[in-house]
Amino acid sequence: DVKVTQSSRYLVKRTGEKVFLECVQDMDHENMFWYRQDPGLGLRLIYFSYDVKMKEKGDIPEGYSVSREKKERFSLILESASTNQTSMYLCASSSSTGEGSTGELFFGEGSRLTVL
Amino acid sequence: GEDVEQSLFLSVREGDSSVINCTYTDSSSTYLYWYKQEPGAGLQLLTYIFSNMDMKQDQRLTVLLNKKDKHLSLRIADTQTGDSAIYFCAERSKGGGSYIPTFGRGTSLIVHP
Repeated sequence: DVKVTQSSRYLVKRTGEKVFLECVQDMDHENMFWYRQDPGLGLRLIYFSYDVKMKEKGDIPEGYSVSREKKERFSLILESASTNQTSMYLCASSSSTGEGSTGELFFGEGSRLTVL
Repeated sequence: GEDVEQSLFLSVREGDSSVINCTYTDSSSTYLYWYKQEPGAGLQLLTYIFSNMDMKQDQRLTVLLNKKDKHLSLRIADTQTGDSAIYFCAERSKGGGSYIPTFGRGTSLIVHP
């Protein structure tokens, strides 16, 4: 059974703290994504990666960075957390996003971050 | 840029049919998707349709695609309380050399007994 695992379901951090959100997939997928989900705004892409050590900015990269040192692991980093980064963060992976593939995304359960 | 629009809420009675609508702007979309998100969980692919198809049926689910109007719909027959969830429409567009999906804001389906 395919699996995307996010290390923390719930986190509470203080403004200015550095936050790491970890995501691991066991499907040997090339592509990994980080989204944030907010009520009424749906899913917004923060960053994605199509290979180890490769990263591309999504629609809302400001205030975030990512790391992909190994194929199975994609980390989202908030260098200095702010209250407007309180949100649900969703990690996803897919096997290929080339023209011939369906591009199905497999999602983790989400990490709900509260910044006080 | 690409945009995917869908209404935020839909309320139906158990046993009725539900129809969730979506419009998109990218005419080069190759795949269009419906994802389902149950409370407290991540998204899961429900069904998808390739852009050269008009319709796809899978048990209680029917997907209709009007490529000319860039309109996608998901019909759930005999809606059950277990169908209560958020349904996301998504289309795949090209970015950074790869095809990545763009999601709508999600439609919350509420099923009343």
